[in-house]
Amino acid sequence: NAGVTQTPKFRILKIGQSMTLQCAQDMNHNYMYWYRQDPGMGLKLIYYSVGAGITDKGEVPNGYNVSRSTTEDFPLRLELAAPSQTSVYFCASSLDGRYAGELFFGEGSRLTVL
Amino acid sequence: KQEVTQIPAALSVPEGENLVLNCSFTDSAIYNLQWFRQDPGKGLTSLLLIQSSQREQTSGRLNASLDKSSGRSTLYIAASQPGDSATYLCAVWASNYQLIWGAGTKLIIKP
Repeated sequence: NAGVTQTPKFRILKIGQSMTLQCAQDMNHNYMYWYRQDPGMGLKLIYYSVGAGITDKGEVPNGYNVSRSTTEDFPLRLELAAPSQTSVYFCASSLDGRYAGELFFGEGSRLTVL
Repeated sequence: KQEVTQIPAALSVPEGENLVLNCSFTDSAIYNLQWFRQDPGKGLTSLLLIQSSQREQTSGRLNASLDKSSGRSTLYIAASQPGDSATYLCAVWASNYQLIWGAGTKLIIKP
């Protein structure tokens, strides 16, 4: 059971570089989310998707973009990386938002921007 | 604006003790409340989900309560074990997609 798979686990970027964090789930979940977690802080929602072709902004979307061309994949694109984007990024999925309740998480991608 | 607070930020207790972790939220108009566990370098694992109409949920040695009127939830861990050492996060479902997170309580169980 793969669940939610994120790649890469670690990455160092230089200021101004771009990259894509990959996220895939094999549970046929409709909802997918990208969060960032900064030290000592709660998780902040970056973007979410309620199904293929449908995405929307969360609390902290600036500097990021997403797409959802399939049910399984939900990549997060960082354009023009800045030190403020140094964080741990988590992808998550759920069957049907709060009605299904249980949220499944990937193991995280630790990004450092220097 | 909904805010979620967890106190204490860190807790260290001897093995075998019963303990309580606290979570408070500012807006009682929540849908559900969920407790998660996070191990170092790992993702988050859902522990308990309390529907807004419920007052508590139990799973093994864990019991979570919800008091919407006072804006509080507690996670009770019975007979703590070293394997319970982790960070415990509380999150409130404020809409169908939006979870508002506390910063977590880091729990250390000493053998």
